[in-house]
Amino acid sequence: SSELTQDPAVSVALGQTVRITCQGDSLRDYNATWYQQKPGQAPSLVLYGKNSRPSGIPGRFSGSSSGNTASLTITGAQAGDEADYFCNSRDSSGNHWVFGGGTKLTVL
Amino acid sequence: QVQLHQWGAGLLKPSETLSLTCDVSGGSLSGYYWSWIRQSPGKGLEWIGEINHTIKNRYNPSLKSRATISGDTSKNYFSLELKSVTAADTAVYYCVRGAFVWTDFYYYFHMDVWGQGSTVIV
Repeated sequence: SSELTQDPAVSVALGQTVRITCQGDSLRDYNATWYQQKPGQAPSLVLYGKNSRPSGIPGRFSGSSSGNTASLTITGAQAGDEADYFCNSRDSSGNHWVFGGGTKLTVL
Repeated sequence: QVQLHQWGAGLLKPSETLSLTCDVSGGSLSGYYWSWIRQSPGKGLEWIGEINHTIKNRYNPSLKSRATISGDTSKNYFSLELKSVTAADTAVYYCVRGAFVWTDFYYYFHMDVWGQGSTVIV
């Protein structure tokens, strides 16, 4: 079982705001990184650090963290944002990487 | 721009050894962390392990020492071997580059370049 817990599925109306969460004890000590995966593709980085986006990721993607929960927020969701989103961080030992189970985002 | 191209046998029998190689083009192995990550059908991502030439390799404890990751800086590639495979090892395997990035007065780690994925069926 994963040390990081995500809701399996979330939906959002086109243009609305959605928050995808990731819970785990290790998040009290380490930041989460977020990856987006579209069908048939490899995952790609969307958010890292406290709230940093790699080049090419639009500003509607933002991150936050409180206690044992990290969040990825999409403000003004677009149809192209429909994908699986995975959080990633260190495990409780700090020596290994773990992923959340993933959240399937549907844009209605 | 760094690209990862991976290859290896896609169909194995139980008890055989999985072997995958990832070629790094447009960059160097040095200074980065190189991981293998897999995704079972319809499931999430599982980190297998990583190699970095300045520290000891790290592996997912759940694999019970079946995995070995090695690298050749002179030829710019790294490899995964997974012994004694079973049906549970059926997955898409990705090679991935990891890096620490200085942001907001801190070093943050992320995995920023992924291979195309290799489907392995046991």
